[in-house]
Amino acid sequence: RKEVEQDPGPFNVPEGATVAFNCTYSNSASQSFFWYRQDCRKEPKLLMSVYSSGNEDGRFTAQLNRASQYISLLIRDSKLSDSATYLCVVIEWGNFNKFYFGSGTKLNVKP
Amino acid sequence: DGGITQSPKYLFRKEGQNVTLSCEQNLNHDAMYWYRQDPGQGLRLIYYSQIVNDFQKGDIAEGYSVSREKKESFPLTVTSAQKNPTAFYLCASSTSGQGWQETQYFGPGTRLLVL
Repeated sequence: RKEVEQDPGPFNVPEGATVAFNCTYSNSASQSFFWYRQDCRKEPKLLMSVYSSGNEDGRFTAQLNRASQYISLLIRDSKLSDSATYLCVVIEWGNFNKFYFGSGTKLNVKP
Repeated sequence: DGGITQSPKYLFRKEGQNVTLSCEQNLNHDAMYWYRQDPGQGLRLIYYSQIVNDFQKGDIAEGYSVSREKKESFPLTVTSAQKNPTAFYLCASSTSGQGWQETQYFGPGTRLLVL
């Protein structure tokens, strides 16, 4: 079983729509969580951290559900520029933190 | 500007040839990483280094080698033993490799193609 699993999509949505992605993780000891954005043929870039109480950054809201072991990303009022692949990252702390990257969920925002 | 640079952007390898991918960072980060990304797949860890002169194998180290002689630099060599090297290679760094707010920052990547 993979450490981190995401629906690969693609999610095809019209501009202005609200879209949500989930990401499940297998190790309950996981302690930090992030969402990254990766544009086609580019490097992943940090989008936002995910805090236990949930957090918002503009049109983006991230949430963590430890009991069910998943994190989510909600995008409101989708823009064409939001089209990208969204990677979730789960981190296990230790002498050297272990990073587990999901395969990504592809989002296409259409005019 | 602080950041991570990788070169070259595209690299072509002939059969039996070793090639080296460059990764440099000026973020003063202690930890550096190399990942491989294949189309439609997630990132797989090749090697990582928490400190100068020390590095550890990741999940797919076979056919690759690294060095960490300077804090700023973490070159990756793809040897002829790596039979399927065509992929997108990403270098990343983080502050220390430890701690709760630790996250990774990526360079622009190198695309390696086999001729």
